Amino acid sequence: KAGVTQTPRYLIKTRGQQVTLSCSPISGHRSVSWYQQTPGQGLQFLFEYFSETQRNKGNFPGRFSGRQFSNSRSEMNVSTLELGDSALYLCASMEQGATNEKLFFGSGTQLSVL
Amino acid sequence: KQEVTQIPAALSVPEGENLVLNCSFTDSAIYNLQWFRQDPGKGLTSLLLIQSSQREQTSGRLNASLDKSSGRSTLYIAASQPGDSATYLCAVRMDSNYQLIWGAGTKLIIKP
Repeated sequence: KAGVTQTPRYLIKTRGQQVTLSCSPISGHRSVSWYQQTPGQGLQFLFEYFSETQRNKGNFPGRFSGRQFSNSRSEMNVSTLELGDSALYLCASMEQGATNEKLFFGSGTQLSVL
Repeated sequence: KQEVTQIPAALSVPEGENLVLNCSFTDSAIYNLQWFRQDPGKGLTSLLLIQSSQREQTSGRLNASLDKSSGRSTLYIAASQPGDSATYLCAVRMDSNYQLIWGAGTKLIIKP
């Protein structure tokens, strides 16, 4: 099976722009979660989707949003980019989204905001 | 508010040594705890998952323990190899909202 695929791998944007990141989970996995990783704050949970519904959300402003499609692929959108949004954005998938399941991560999208 | 701490932040040991990485958390109301490794420029790989009712999990040369009452977990790596060099992160899944709270990681270097 192919692993979790994130595109693009690298992205450079300027302040005020918006960006959309994509995540394709492992085939058959229905849960997709997103995380932000920065040197200062470490890893932080953004949100989780299961069967096209947002099931959980972290403490991020409304500029961060996401969605999940019927094929379980997910997109994350950040509007009105700020310098502090520069980070590695990781997505992870689980088969059923059960709390005792292991997470499978993609390689991430490195976003730089100038 | 749950806080997850990993000490030390970095560790360098010669190949072949056994070593222990530590993870502590302030709120014992957790569902489970997971250990991950992250290689530079890559995503995370799940190593071990311990349910709150379990005391330890083993996979190959790795053994993770959990003491929920004291808010501690350890990851034991036996007979370390250069390929074990990576950043190791622990994460606790909260009972209240099922969110994962992450430690900052321990950067491990195994010297040949």
